[in-house]
Amino acid sequence: DARVTQTPRHKVTEMGQEVTMRCQPILGHNTVFWYRQTMMQGLELLAYFRNRAPLDDSGMPKDRFSAEMPDATLATLKIQPSEPRDSAVYFCASGLPLVGGTDTQYFGPGTRLTVL
Amino acid sequence: DAKTTQPNSMESNEEEPVHLPCNHSTISGTDYIHWYRQLPSQGPEYVIHGLTSNVNNRMASLAIAEDRKSSTLILHRATLRDAAVYYCILRDISNAGNMLTFGGGTRLMVKP
Repeated sequence: DARVTQTPRHKVTEMGQEVTMRCQPILGHNTVFWYRQTMMQGLELLAYFRNRAPLDDSGMPKDRFSAEMPDATLATLKIQPSEPRDSAVYFCASGLPLVGGTDTQYFGPGTRLTVL
Repeated sequence: DAKTTQPNSMESNEEEPVHLPCNHSTISGTDYIHWYRQLPSQGPEYVIHGLTSNVNNRMASLAIAEDRKSSTLILHRATLRDAAVYYCILRDISNAGNMLTFGGGTRLMVKP
């Protein structure tokens, strides 16, 4: 049963520290998404990639967040420096575009980040 | 993508059917209706999608109004495991492979 994996599952850090979250998409999926979920904002898109190229990162604070796909099996989301307002659950999802917009996204279990 | 409106929360008894409504009065002819759900402490998962006709799969059924301005996700026999937030999302036919826009969803509580 193919799944999206994310590490770490939980991260507690202090303000100002660098945080790196990793995601392994489902093998063969060429689109990778990063979403963030908070109580106040709900689920919102941060960035996404297709064939490892960034397509949209308009949801990401550019001064502190960066997202990359070093290869087809790894996506990373980095925050430097982290701030308490970055505390949230970060989800990675992967999928394959299908004609007609009927494609499904598969979500990982999330990384719960707490910045003190 | 057009906007959807869902009740904030609903309650159901275990083993009874559940009808989760979604209004999408500004839906366009090229919008697919997708449903995802998010179980506690998990990422969202796909449930079902449709365009015009009613759809069934192993998880649920999707009933789409004739004018497509509303739809209903039907869980035929709710179990405690179905307690989750259910999201109704519209995706344009040209939106293949692109982001999902999540609203607030409906929190379904299932009572034993």
